[in-house]
Amino acid sequence: DQQVKQNSPSLSVQEGRISILNCDYTNSMFDYFLWYKKYPAEGPTFLISISSIKDKNEDGRFTVFLNKSAKHLSLHIVPSQPGDSAVYFCAASEVAGQNFVFGPGTRLSVLP
Amino acid sequence: DAGVTQSPTHLIKTRGQHVTLRCSPISGHKSVSWYQQVLGQGPQFIFQYYEKEERGRGNFPDRFSARQFPNYSSELNVNALLLGDSALYLCASSLDAGAFYGYTFGSGTRLTVV
Repeated sequence: DQQVKQNSPSLSVQEGRISILNCDYTNSMFDYFLWYKKYPAEGPTFLISISSIKDKNEDGRFTVFLNKSAKHLSLHIVPSQPGDSAVYFCAASEVAGQNFVFGPGTRLSVLP
Repeated sequence: DAGVTQSPTHLIKTRGQHVTLRCSPISGHKSVSWYQQVLGQGPQFIFQYYEKEERGRGNFPDRFSARQFPNYSSELNVNALLLGDSALYLCASSLDAGAFYGYTFGSGTRLTVV
């Protein structure tokens, strides 16, 4: 039973446009959420995080939105750049910094 | 600054054998976590260690074990290897066990069991 779901295996976006990556979770005890980016042959790289006391967090071109009642979060990348092409993982945990549960990932392709 | 380093980068083992994977965290980081990533899936949590003590364990059989040394480096051991253990094994470090800002991952060890 997948506790963290990313229902879009892939997404293609034109350079300069907005990329929206979605994530749904089933465990209502999750309070901490992160997004990671992964390039081939590298480990995942931390992008941005949010806790359940907030509904939005921004860091440069990246914004994460959390809708706790819908158990849904999304990552917005504006504007999208070709270097953003990677696999994006959503992760969640009940306790800060411990035992993250990852989704299966969404492969983002930003087309020049 | 050295990031999280893992060794070896690639490994081929035979079913039934034992394997030891090694991880050196970022200097100053006291928490190390291990994840298994099977092709096409997200990383799955195996263990977390902080100050040489196990802080969490995922849903993996007892064939999997780990430890953390006084210098905060860590080993992941897998006994009686199965074909299904073939995966990318990722090590991640953080300053402490409750760091919310996320881990720093190494590039992983690719284990192939034949």
